Amino acid sequence: EAGVAQSPRYKIIEKRQSVAFWCNPISGHATLYWYQQILGQGPKLLIQFQNNGVVDDSQLPKDRFSAERLKGVDSTLKIQPAKLEDSAVYLCASSYNSGTEETQYFGPGTRLLVL
Amino acid sequence: SQQGEEDPQALSIQEGENATMNCSYKTSINNLQWYRQNSGRGLVHLILIRSNEREKHSGRLRVTLDTSKKSSSLLITASRAADTASYFCAGTSGSRLTFGEGTQLTVNP
Repeated sequence: EAGVAQSPRYKIIEKRQSVAFWCNPISGHATLYWYQQILGQGPKLLIQFQNNGVVDDSQLPKDRFSAERLKGVDSTLKIQPAKLEDSAVYLCASSYNSGTEETQYFGPGTRLLVL
Repeated sequence: SQQGEEDPQALSIQEGENATMNCSYKTSINNLQWYRQNSGRGLVHLILIRSNEREKHSGRLRVTLDTSKKSSSLLITASRAADTASYFCAGTSGSRLTFGEGTQLTVNP
């Protein structure tokens, strides 16, 4: 089965610019997650969707970050405007459902560098 | 804040040796999972241990969980150069995974 797809793989932008990342989860997976992974750290959850509804966005910096999953399949994560500290890898993951024992399947990530 | 702390931060061993990584967490969990991340790649799920389990095996992996000490360990036996990666523990509370800082394992051929 195809895995989680993400694009672009790499992005370099100037601070205060905007950037968007795209994720296509595994077919049939209802739950989609966006994580931020800063170099040398573990991933940190930004937002979790169940179908097209937000389940958890408590750690999303809402003044500059936004995400949507309009049709319950693909998702986009946007940063506007970007700051230097947003340099990180943005990982998308999906799971069949949102139970406590669900395995999350991760995409390869988008590596963002903000100059 | 991150759920867990992992120890050691980096581990370098020779092929064939065993590798042990430890993880401590702060809040109560439903289960604890271990993930592996190769350089520049996404994370891959390795094993899940429930909060009412003490030990679990999967191939060359052995995971223990001590809920009284809020700690877990991952043992990789007979390591191979291909095991070189970062290993993360993640506690599950509800459906949220909270990851530790990770251990960078290097297995030298």
